[in-house]
Amino acid sequence: EVQLVQSGAEVKKPGESLKISCKGSGSNFTTYWIAWVRQLPGKGLEWMGIIYPADSDTRYSPSFQGQVTFSADKSISTAYLQWSSLKASDTAMYYCARYSFRAAAAPLGFWGQGTLVTVSS
Amino acid sequence: EIVMTQSPGTLSLSPGERATLSCRASQSVSSSFLAWYQQKPGQAPRLLIFGASSRATGIPDRFSGSGYGTDFTLTISRLEPEDFAVYYCQQYGRSPRTFGGGTKVEI
Repeated sequence: EVQLVQSGAEVKKPGESLKISCKGSGSNFTTYWIAWVRQLPGKGLEWMGIIYPADSDTRYSPSFQGQVTFSADKSISTAYLQWSSLKASDTAMYYCARYSFRAAAAPLGFWGQGTLVTVSS
Repeated sequence: EIVMTQSPGTLSLSPGERATLSCRASQSVSSSFLAWYQQKPGQAPRLLIFGASSRATGIPDRFSGSGYGTDFTLTISRLEPEDFAVYYCQQYGRSPRTFGGGTKVEI
């Protein structure tokens, strides 16, 4: 069974850095694209981009390019999302999700439980 | 980027009724790379439909998807109490992938 387990909720101050994680289990984690999706409080889903854990190839949505960094450690089947300097507007739920298929284009068939990030002074 | 527009924003229906949700893309969606997701409060989204009309594993057959090009529809034939949720469409044929704003199906 495929499972994605994300790290716990975080409360940070503006300007602080943060790295959240998404650990995969089950079917081969490293050879499926992993997506990051943001959901602002009470709002819809936003595509942030994807990472291929086998070689850390990354593709950022233009809206998030330069604002966040994706990384992965294939040895422990874990993907990461990080910020170098958080803003209050980064307050949101962040989901990781795995492509359903080993393909360049695929829907998101498996989701983590989400990590709530709160940025407040 | 492809802009996905969902309508209506909210659909007020009763259990047993039929729900028809619309999703329109600003450009043609490649090879019907269109998915639908369901999200309940406090939960992660769940994949319902991919390829515009294929049901994901374990999804009941009261959920069906149709459409081609720029216009897509999710139909729930007879609403069950557990179907009241927010539904999102997503195109995954072009980068960046994009989601619609969602349709809330409420009682």
